[in-house]
Amino acid sequence: DAGVIQSPRHEVTEMGQEVTLRCKPISGHNSLFWYRQTMMRGLELLIYFNNNVPIDDSGMPEDRFSAKMPNASFSTLKIQPSEPRDSAVYFCASNPGQNTEAFFGQGTRLTVV
Amino acid sequence: GENVEQHPSTLSVQEGDSAVIKCTYSDSASNYFPWYKQELGKRPQLIIDIRSNVGEKKDQRIAVTLNKTAKHFSLHITETQPEDSAVYFCAANWPGTASKLTFGTGTRLQVTL
Repeated sequence: DAGVIQSPRHEVTEMGQEVTLRCKPISGHNSLFWYRQTMMRGLELLIYFNNNVPIDDSGMPEDRFSAKMPNASFSTLKIQPSEPRDSAVYFCASNPGQNTEAFFGQGTRLTVV
Repeated sequence: GENVEQHPSTLSVQEGDSAVIKCTYSDSASNYFPWYKQELGKRPQLIIDIRSNVGEKKDQRIAVTLNKTAKHFSLHITETQPEDSAVYFCAANWPGTASKLTFGTGTRLQVTL
């Protein structure tokens, strides 16, 4: 397996534009997580899915952020409209079950100018 | 929920010395404690984990200890090498929520020659 795959690796966009980040989890993993990493706030869990169902989105900062998982092999994180303070590295991770290792993707570095 | 505190935020040791990073957690029902290593510009990767039914676990130069009574766990790296230089994150699971992890704020370890 190629691991968790994220795209794009880098995204530069203007304030107010819509941004969509994509993730393909490892096949067979039933939990998927979206994290945001910044120097100030570290690694923050934004939302996680179990069997494609959103379980906890309490970490989503505001209504501008939304996430979907239409099937077991694909998830998106959307920011609309984007703001400069959204600039961060966004990681997607998956794991096969309870209390097991979370495998991270390579991340998407988002810059909003 | 779960709150994880991690210390120190930065640590500098000479090659060959030992390094210790400490974390505390708030929810006594947490039962899974992984440690991740993140090299500059890369994804976090699991280096060792421990479950609450054991007090210590070793893997070559890396060991983790868990004190459930005090609700703290520590990472020990012996005979440090320059390639150990990275940011290390501890984490604890949210009890009853399957796979959700809360991460500490990270420790930047610098191993000097």
